[in-house]
Amino acid sequence: LAKTTQPISMDSYEGQEVNITCSHNNIATNDYITWYQQFPSQGPRFIIQGYKTKVTNEVASLFIPADRKSSTLSLPRVSLSDTAVYYCLVGDKEEYGNKLVFGAGTILRVKS
Amino acid sequence: ETGVTQTPRHLVMGMTNKKSLKCEQHLGHNAMYWYKQSAKKPLELMFVYSLEERVENNSVPSRFSPECPNSSHLFLHLHTLQPEDSALYLCASSQDPGAREQYFGPGTRLTVT
Repeated sequence: LAKTTQPISMDSYEGQEVNITCSHNNIATNDYITWYQQFPSQGPRFIIQGYKTKVTNEVASLFIPADRKSSTLSLPRVSLSDTAVYYCLVGDKEEYGNKLVFGAGTILRVKS
Repeated sequence: ETGVTQTPRHLVMGMTNKKSLKCEQHLGHNAMYWYKQSAKKPLELMFVYSLEERVENNSVPSRFSPECPNSSHLFLHLHTLQPEDSALYLCASSQDPGAREQYFGPGTRLTVT
């Protein structure tokens, strides 16, 4: 499984766009990039996943450059309720008994 | 709203006690998982079940014993735990064991005294 590197923490203010970048230099050809969000004392929640270029849903956008060695989760106009830990995971969709390997994640603090 | 429920939400037990954690998913998924999240540590996968068959056991001590009687229910039986086993235990499910989109329950906060 590809190792990922994310900033330990980020601070932002309400209404700003937040971009969290994840490095995964040894990503394999079949690997997908998946992001999860976790609030304190709750289970993680799936946000978005992608393979290349750009993916957008009602919550976030995911930008993946052509070399796929990094990805950026973009949260538009954050609010206080977006304060959480954000995890970047990289892995192969076809792997049986798929293991989601969570790293330390990025602690996002949104201030008023 | 997640479709995955866990009971109890909080549990305090002594090292000689025997208790069980319960997880139920209402999503019609075929795979279920147990994770452990200790303070200031990443989530650790403990067990994976696919259609009630265990397909993954990540070198978990035998004092943790999983049980999956059907595709909707998953248990984690606990006995003779240690204080370092205190953690948030999370259950998750997915459509199949290869899916990266997993749905997590709220967790059981376990304290071993």
